[in-house]
This record gives sequence, C-alpha cells and structure tokens, in this order.
Amino acid sequence: DAKTTQPPSMDCAEGRAANLPCNHSTISGNEYVYWYRQIHSQGPQYIIHGLKNNETNEMASLIITEDRKSSTLILPHATLRDTAVYYCIVSGEYGNKLVFGAGTILRVKS
Amino acid sequence: GAVVSQHPSWVICKSGTSVKIECRSLDFQATTMFWYRQFPKQSLMLMATSNEGSKATYEQGVEKDKFLINHASLTLSTLTVTSAHPEDSSFYICSARTRGPTYNEQFFGPGTRLTVL
Repeated sequence: DAKTTQPPSMDCAEGRAANLPCNHSTISGNEYVYWYRQIHSQGPQYIIHGLKNNETNEMASLIITEDRKSSTLILPHATLRDTAVYYCIVSGEYGNKLVFGAGTILRVKS
Repeated sequence: GAVVSQHPSWVICKSGTSVKIECRSLDFQATTMFWYRQFPKQSLMLMATSNEGSKATYEQGVEKDKFLINHASLTLSTLTVTSAHPEDSSFYICSARTRGPTYNEQFFGPGTRLTVL
C-alpha cells in the first residue's frame, strides 16, 4: 500500500473550515484514499473515502487532485468536538488492511 | 450505523497471567476482524487479521503464541494475551468489516486499555 505524508499538527478556529492535506505520491490506480479520525482514548472513526472523484458526506468533503498524488479533507465548520488525530490512509479495495501513519493532530480553538 | 463493542474497556492484571479481550459486531456480521495495538502517543499498529472460521494472519513481529486470536463466529472475535508482562500494557483496538460494497470501511471498537503490573 502507498505511503502517506501528513503535517504533524494544525490549528483551526471554531466555526471555520479545517483543511487537512495529505500527500500520497506513490498511489496506484486501484487504491482508495480513506480518512479516519481518533478522538483521545477512543477507537478510530471512519470519515470519508474516495478513488478519484471528489466526495462529500455529512461529516466532510474530500478533494483529490487530478493526478491523485494528494488530497485534502475539509471539515466545513469545525467545532471543538472535531479536535482529534486525523489519519489519511491509502489502501486497495475490499480485502486490504489499513495501515495507520502518524496522522495530523487537529486542534480546534474557540 | 454499524456498532462494534469491546469488553472489557479496561483491565489490570498481574504479570504472568492471561487476559482475554472480546470484540463483538452488534448489528452486522463481521466476516473479517482486525486487532490493533496502540502505545501512548503513537499510532495504531495492526497486529493480526482474522477471518471467521479460519486461522488469523499475524503481522511481522507479532508473536502468534502470545497473542491468541479466535474468530469463531460472525459476530465475535477474541484476543487472549498469554503470560502478560508489563511491556504488553497498551490500548488494544479491534475493528470489523462485512461483505458489501467494494470499499474498505472498517468499524472500530472503543478499545481496551490493558495494564500489566
């Protein structure tokens, strides 16, 4: 599975959009981009995933560049409860395991 | 949504004893379950993958005789830490996946904090 690179930490003001970048320059054609987050001392929570098209759900939007070498997770209106470690993971279709990197610590501040 | 539970949520045991952790999918059938370990201020590390009715596949460096995994039914997997030692103290998290669409969504349990004295 391709390796991902994320900034170690980011701050965001409450109510503003949080944009979390992820580089995955070695991604292959059949690999998906997944985002999970982990709030302190809890199990990870699925956020969103995509292959090449931009995706949106009730939690977030995922923007994938045309060459698929990077992506951005957007939380449109961050709240204090969005403070967590966000993991960007590249993996194949059903049947592949998820390999967690270091992630990005997002701190939402009032 | 899909819910995964773990029991116990925390456990303290003496060195040399064995501890069993249960992972249950409450509202779906989990054909595959994964076990992770997380040390303080570190990321999750995959320990093993288990498919219902077959032997678990362990990641490199994980002792299969020390971390016994059983996935006897489509809703239950257990991890037994045998002869636990203080260095086994960690946060153990399971996840479950079911057959369905082609994406790889996993549902994670809340984790079990193990402290070995």
